[in-house]
Amino acid sequence: DAGITQSPRHKVTETGTPVTLRCHQTENHRYMYWYRQDPGHGLRLIHYSYGVKDTDKGEVSDGYSVSRSKTEDFLLTLESATSSQTSVYFCATRLGGQGQETQYFGPGTRLLVL
Amino acid sequence: KNQVEQSPQSLIILEGKNCTLQCNYTVSPFSNLRWYKQDTGRGPVSLTIMTFSENTKSNGRYTATLDADTKQSSLHITASQLSDSASYICVVSRSQGNLIFGKGTKLSVKP
Repeated sequence: DAGITQSPRHKVTETGTPVTLRCHQTENHRYMYWYRQDPGHGLRLIHYSYGVKDTDKGEVSDGYSVSRSKTEDFLLTLESATSSQTSVYFCATRLGGQGQETQYFGPGTRLLVL
Repeated sequence: KNQVEQSPQSLIILEGKNCTLQCNYTVSPFSNLRWYKQDTGRGPVSLTIMTFSENTKSNGRYTATLDADTKQSSLHITASQLSDSASYICVVSRSQGNLIFGKGTKLSVKP
């Protein structure tokens, strides 16, 4: 998993509660990403970061926020969890320049919102 | 619309047999195409990456092809093993850097 850890690996929460997922990398990669993976869909980008304190929205960012205060950590927060946010969340980092970049994925966090 | 379509959705083969997975895309401007392998309960792992000028790339028993004119790619697996059971995801990168993911093909290799 290219030095990427995610915590927690599994979480069950209730609708309306805030949830924070953590991604930690040891490779000093500049770019970090949060995706969600759902049956019948490809991986979908939630938010990404191109440096400390530099973040931007992906295609499914509503209801999510992110923060990156250190190169190695990228946090994803569900401000008020809903059942539609039940999913598997993957963090990824990027190494390499334009045209040859490869994203390395973490092991995923399985989130169930009741 | 930028899309990546994979076929078949799922596939069952016997151990030792070969198989080919397909990927068609309508992504532009095109930068590169990757195949990822995702084991159950794990994150995707890159198998191959091909740019516009590359037709074929191999990684052990995995061989990917790219036809940029028809916007098609295939992943051929030779002499399949039980450990090849996984989902295989085709990912196309746009020149602006964002990735378009296919939904994947789920491969089951039976003894």
